Amino acid sequence: EAGVAQSPRYKIIEKRQSVAFWCNPISGHATLYWYQQILGQGPKLLIQFQNNGVVDDSQLPKDRFSAERLKGVDSTLKIQPAKLEDSAVYLCASSLERGQPQHFGDGTRLSIL
Amino acid sequence: RKEVEQDPGPFNVPEGATVAFNCTYSNSASQSFFWYRQDCRKEPKLLMSVYSSGNEDGRFTAQLNRASQYISLLIRDSKLSDSATYLCVVNPGGYQKVTFGTGTKLQVIP
Repeated sequence: EAGVAQSPRYKIIEKRQSVAFWCNPISGHATLYWYQQILGQGPKLLIQFQNNGVVDDSQLPKDRFSAERLKGVDSTLKIQPAKLEDSAVYLCASSLERGQPQHFGDGTRLSIL
Repeated sequence: RKEVEQDPGPFNVPEGATVAFNCTYSNSASQSFFWYRQDCRKEPKLLMSVYSSGNEDGRFTAQLNRASQYISLLIRDSKLSDSATYLCVVNPGGYQKVTFGTGTKLQVIP
């Protein structure tokens, strides 16, 4: 079974630029999550999708972050414009259904200069 | 009170020792619980789910105490390869967000 795919693995941009991350979940997984993990902290949920609907986005900074999951499969997370404090690892995970164990992709390590 | 709390450690234990971590949660209606392991600069990986009756997987035992609102992870006969950060996950269910703890760092010493 193929795992969760994420790209790119690394990204370096300057502040105020835009960046986008892509995630392809495990086939058949209805629930998709985006997390932000800052060094030394646990993953922080940014947004959770159930199929193509949003379950929770209470911790998503909506003035600069956006995410979509069209057709209920792949998802993209965008930051525009980026700030220095956005430097982190962005993890995508999927689960068969809500409440089920999550499987993570390798993550995208974002550095803001 | 934080939604999910863990002692960040580090826990430095000798090989062969038994070590236990706790994770407390604030939402009494939480429905599902998990332990993940995260190695340095890697993604979290599922270690085990936590069931109401407690469950064991080899050297690892997970327990849930709903009355006191915490879950625990016990590692017996620690190996060097157990060195990692252990994250607990609490899922309230419904449309409430899933929350990770900050993680407990374990270092097993030769």
